[in-house]
Parts: sequence; structure tokens; C-alpha cells
Amino acid sequence: KQEVTQIPAALSVPEGENLVLNCSFTDSAIYNLQWFRQDPGKGLTSLLLIQSSQREQTSGRLNASLDKSSGRSTLYIAASQPGDSATYLCAVNPGGGNKLTFGTGTQLKVEL
Amino acid sequence: GAVVSQHPSRVICKSGTSVKIECRSLDFQATTMFWYRQFPKQSLMLMATSNEGSKATYEQGVEKDKFLINHASLTLSTLTVTSAHPEDSSFYICSARDSGRGVYNEQFFGPGTRLTVL
Repeated sequence: KQEVTQIPAALSVPEGENLVLNCSFTDSAIYNLQWFRQDPGKGLTSLLLIQSSQREQTSGRLNASLDKSSGRSTLYIAASQPGDSATYLCAVNPGGGNKLTFGTGTQLKVEL
Repeated sequence: GAVVSQHPSRVICKSGTSVKIECRSLDFQATTMFWYRQFPKQSLMLMATSNEGSKATYEQGVEKDKFLINHASLTLSTLTVTSAHPEDSSFYICSARDSGRGVYNEQFFGPGTRLTVL
């Protein structure tokens, strides 16, 4: 059974700092991996999707990497801003039935 | 594009009543939709996979008679919580897979429905 873990569970950083969020998964047989953002009481906003054949994806200040063999993905946020404060979730897709398994989430707070 | 809506966004009901939640794909067709629930400060747990024109597939431990799913069209899936009790209070989120984007299988998520059972 696939298990997805995110470290750290919570993170507080000053504005402007670069930071890395980690996601690890136990079964490397994945189709793709997605990073999401969730604001309190809201749904999920998709940030980046990495296919199993890809090593990284970039969107603005965000960069996500994938090392499938080691079961790891990282989300790098450059020059963090208070508006980046949210919970970040990673989810792996095993393909086939397309059922996502979500990580435990990292709650990020960027302070002025 | 790729917008998913949910209705209602928030519902409060009395114990023993049934509540219906709608999930719509607004600008794409979705043969498959997914229903998740999320407890406070926890991650999303998949409840069931909704398939257009056929029966839903439920995850282990999810009562199919309590959480009725209907996916009658390519843009609408409904989740009915029957005889709701306080322990059913949760945040319910749906997602939809664009049938036309077979290669990437990306899922798009709705804004969620907050259910409170008194």
C-alpha cells in the first residue's frame, strides 16, 4: 500500500527566504505526482504536475523535482511571500485507476 | 479552463437527515470523478470513484449505503450522505478527470463542501 509522507509538518519562515518542502512515497511505481496548495477551508489548487518520466517542472517561483527511484519529490519556493502561506500537499498517482494518494501536508507560514 | 464546482459550499443539517452534494465539471467532460473527505488538520482520504453510467467504486471501510453516489451525466456527480450523524461532519471535496486529456490524467478539484451535522 502506497504511503506518502511530507516533512516538515509545519514551517515558519521570514519573507524572502527560499525554502524546500519534501515529499516521500514508499512505492516508486507511480504515473505522476502533483503538488497542491490548500488555503484554510478551501479546496485544492494544483501547482505542478510531474510525469514519472520527468525530473522537474517549473512555474514562476515554484520548482518541483522528482526522483522516482528514491521515492522523493521536493517543492522549491523561491523568494517566499506572505501570500504563499497555506498548506501544501503532494499526491501520487499510480496510474490505472487514477486514484491519488495524498501526503500528510506541510503547513507553511511566511511572516513579514 | 478545467473548472470544477461544488454545491452547496456549506451545509448544516440535523442528525438523521440526508444531504446531497453536487460536483460539476464546468468546461470539460468527466467520465470519472472522485470523492474525498478531509477531517480538520488531516489530509484528503479517497472515499469513492464515481463512474459515469455505472456504479461507483468505494474504498475499503466506506459504507456504500450511507454515501450514495450518482454519476448520471458527463458533467455531474452527486454524493448523498444518508441519515447523517455528527461523526459525518467533515469537508467533502470532489475532483474530476478530463476525459479529453488521456495522456496526463490530471485531476481538477472542486472548492469543497463543509458539512456540519448537529
